[in-house]
Amino acid sequence: DTAVSQTPKYLVTQMGNDKSIKCEQNLGHDTMYWYKQDSKKFLKIMFSYNNKELIINETVPNRFSPKSPDKAHLNLHINSLELGDSAVYFCASSPLGVGDQPQHFGDGTRLSIL
Amino acid sequence: RKEVEQDPGPFNVPEGATVAFNCTYSNSASQSFFWYRQDCRKEPKLLMSVYSSGNEDGRFTAQLNRASQYISLLIRDSKLSDSATYLCVGLYNNNDMRFGAGTRLTVKP
Repeated sequence: DTAVSQTPKYLVTQMGNDKSIKCEQNLGHDTMYWYKQDSKKFLKIMFSYNNKELIINETVPNRFSPKSPDKAHLNLHINSLELGDSAVYFCASSPLGVGDQPQHFGDGTRLSIL
Repeated sequence: RKEVEQDPGPFNVPEGATVAFNCTYSNSASQSFFWYRQDCRKEPKLLMSVYSSGNEDGRFTAQLNRASQYISLLIRDSKLSDSATYLCVGLYNNNDMRFGAGTRLTVKP
């Protein structure tokens, strides 16, 4: 009964490779997000999609490309991985509405670049 | 300057202690605020929403002061299981959540 699930949980790969992380939510939420949490534990938003449409795109290298095939899925593809990409990536979702609509997070994907 | 600022701690308190965390925010356009809890190597989980009138959930009390742009979380009768990082969060434009860097709490026996 996982609400927000992301795969893989761990990803260890070499610099220069291309990799994808998948996220799915079964909460019926309209909006999905990708966050990056670095070694200093600061959680920073990267992208937000509302019903397959991009609504937040923070200053993220264009090596990162989100794709939302439908409102229940938001995948993250990363090209030409760099050492600085090592972090935990969290997917989240929330309903669309005014005010008090907190986000629900997946377990995180721990990406390590060798 | 970060939009949401918190004292990173760490706070080390004995079981049974009362501990208070503070958070300030710079963008007065924020609609809502929350406290999230994050355990080591886990995802953030919603602890509680924060209202101007103050709200309580068991041993936890949250307060929002819009005039001072200040949010607080009070934990009474600390338990070992309260050890975690507490994240202060502001919500903007219905979807955009901005997280503080988190305050680490360790409750010791």
